Amino acid sequence: GAGVSQSPSNKVTEKGKDVELRCDPISGHTALYWYRQSLGQGLEFLIYFQGNSAPDKSGLPSDRFSAERTGGSVSTLTIQRTQQEDSAVYLCATTRDYNTGELFFGEGSRLTVL
Amino acid sequence: GQQLNQSPQSMFIQEGEDVSMNCTSSSIFNTWLWYKQDPGEGPVLLIALYKAGELTSNGRLTAQFGITRKDSFLNISASIPSDVGIYFCAGPFGGGGNKLTFGTGTQLKVEL
Repeated sequence: GAGVSQSPSNKVTEKGKDVELRCDPISGHTALYWYRQSLGQGLEFLIYFQGNSAPDKSGLPSDRFSAERTGGSVSTLTIQRTQQEDSAVYLCATTRDYNTGELFFGEGSRLTVL
Repeated sequence: GQQLNQSPQSMFIQEGEDVSMNCTSSSIFNTWLWYKQDPGEGPVLLIALYKAGELTSNGRLTAQFGITRKDSFLNISASIPSDVGIYFCAGPFGGGGNKLTFGTGTQLKVEL
């Protein structure tokens, strides 16, 4: 597809379960970001991948959160033992050139933890 | 970490009115960006500013990069219903400036 694709678009889970969120970037975009947006809030940086470099995990809120990017393309954000405060929209963004500041966002995955 | 504060938090205006919102930071930024988020969508870049004092327009939108490099404003002229959404300012952070921090957002609602 032409844009950043995220799945699932909606996920409802029970507290304590693990969830995986997927991001398919725009072809050729080497930089990939995950952000979290809680209800009515701004965007909180989580993790950043650039090419084959080690990811910048400085925004991950706890060790229950992890992400990987296979083959420099698809990325998966995993949240283990989900808590109610993890409920949010998780946005993936990619760019060919971060110097421009132009990130291309997906529509997000809305996670609800009951 | 760096914090970007936006004001107002929300605005409820009449169609046709001009809108002004701003963003301030405790730190200096070398780039200021304005994004808009429609309901159920990811944010989309509206305007990018790369130089202190720069004034840039994009249709009915005008944005300025403050001289102190600690603030920016966004104006929308003659608002229309599709201007509804949340407007975020953003700036790069991190050693390589390769990550964006986003402001708290200004929610715009337009009354017909």
